[in-house]
Amino acid sequence: QSALTQPASVSGSPGQSITISCSGTSSDIGTQVHVSWYQQHPGKAPKLIIYDANTRPPGVSSRFSGSKSGNTASLTISGLQAEDEADYYCSSYTTSSVYVCGPGTKVTVL
Amino acid sequence: EVQLVESGGGLVQPGGSLRLPCAASGFTFSVYWMHWVRQAPGKELVWVARINPDGTYTSYVDSVKGRFTISRDNAKNMLYLQMNNLRAEDTALYYCVMDYGAYSDYWGQGILVTVSS
Repeated sequence: QSALTQPASVSGSPGQSITISCSGTSSDIGTQVHVSWYQQHPGKAPKLIIYDANTRPPGVSSRFSGSKSGNTASLTISGLQAEDEADYYCSSYTTSSVYVCGPGTKVTVL
Repeated sequence: EVQLVESGGGLVQPGGSLRLPCAASGFTFSVYWMHWVRQAPGKELVWVARINPDGTYTSYVDSVKGRFTISRDNAKNMLYLQMNNLRAEDTALYYCVMDYGAYSDYWGQGILVTVSS
């Protein structure tokens, strides 16, 4: 059982925007700066797309944006493209000095 | 070019042990936190363990505490995960990760560990 909660799936048409939520607690997302998002295509290693809740690493498209409010983090993908179809995972540092991850959200481009 | 190459995986019986090495190259290994993350087939990511740059601090997910040990050899640019008393639920693809969840985040391709009789 994951410590963070994500929707199992989210879908959208090309060009639309979608938002994936990641719910935690005051022991993780609510009090930690280090909240990250990963994109994983089938058979590939995960790729970091957001760190520190809202910062994109170099080379990551500006169509990906992150935010955090209270115990919930969110990932928004704007201008949805076919290549965005993948699994997305959130992760957070915790007050116990370990990291926790969400169960993943499958994004489908209709 | 940054490279992280895991090895040492395979089939092991419940209660057995395995040591996973991860060879690092293309960056200054000795200044980065290093992590192990695993993913059971078709399942979610699970952060397993981390070690600080000089190897003096480690932390673990509760499910592996007392069974797994993360270590590093900065002279050889090597990260290790010693796994003892393995259980079926430890079956997963194990990833070596540099700077997990931070600016220089980088993952190896993973190595499969299967625990089965």
